[in-house]
Amino acid sequence: EIVLTQSPATLSLSPGERATLSCRASQSVSSYLAWYQQKPGQAPRLLIYDASNRATGIPARFSGSGSGTDFTLTISSLEPEDFAVYYCQQRGYWPLTFGGGTKVEIK
Amino acid sequence: EVQLLESGGVLAQPGGSLTLSCEASGFTFSSYAMTWVRQAPGRGLDWVSSISGSGGNSYYADSVKGRFTISRDNSKNTLYLQINSLRAEDTAVYYCAKAGYCTSTSCPPEHWGQGTLVTVSS
Repeated sequence: EIVLTQSPATLSLSPGERATLSCRASQSVSSYLAWYQQKPGQAPRLLIYDASNRATGIPARFSGSGSGTDFTLTISSLEPEDFAVYYCQQRGYWPLTFGGGTKVEIK
Repeated sequence: EVQLLESGGVLAQPGGSLTLSCEASGFTFSSYAMTWVRQAPGRGLDWVSSISGSGGNSYYADSVKGRFTISRDNSKNTLYLQINSLRAEDTAVYYCAKAGYCTSTSCPPEHWGQGTLVTVSS
């Protein structure tokens, strides 16, 4: 199965700063990578699908890039509501897999 | 408005069985692939299983293959997950999720339910 490795595990930043989250796949998944945001006690929320497409209602400060094995989620300027855990997920091969997550916390 | 309502989460004994349900509304159920994702307490997301809109194709994580069965009743707009031979490591919140943006069974879930808790303990 494809292993997704997210880094860093924790990112400590202040509101207004830029966040850059990484997701690396153990083999190429083409552009079949999604990003989710999850806050405590809530279901995940789809942010980005197929590497770079924003889901409905997702603010423009969220952007995704990459292809093959290396992907990046960028939050251009952190808002207070963006502090959460972020997961990547690949759909290039069965079984589908998630990364271990990156927690974005307030510095 | 898309709504997904999971039920069936219980405290169950190791070796037992249970069935989770997910009632869907607000969209044409048979047109979309559906997925179960679980999350153990304090842990990350774990993809469990997905099924095509027609129900003709289904896929499973290696960790649950042979013990879990995903199914759907399109006449009742309901998704199911039957879990057999329960193990302590199956303890988790189980989310039902609806595919979005594409017709493939692997299409990333766009809408999620609030989850149902399964606890496996003697």
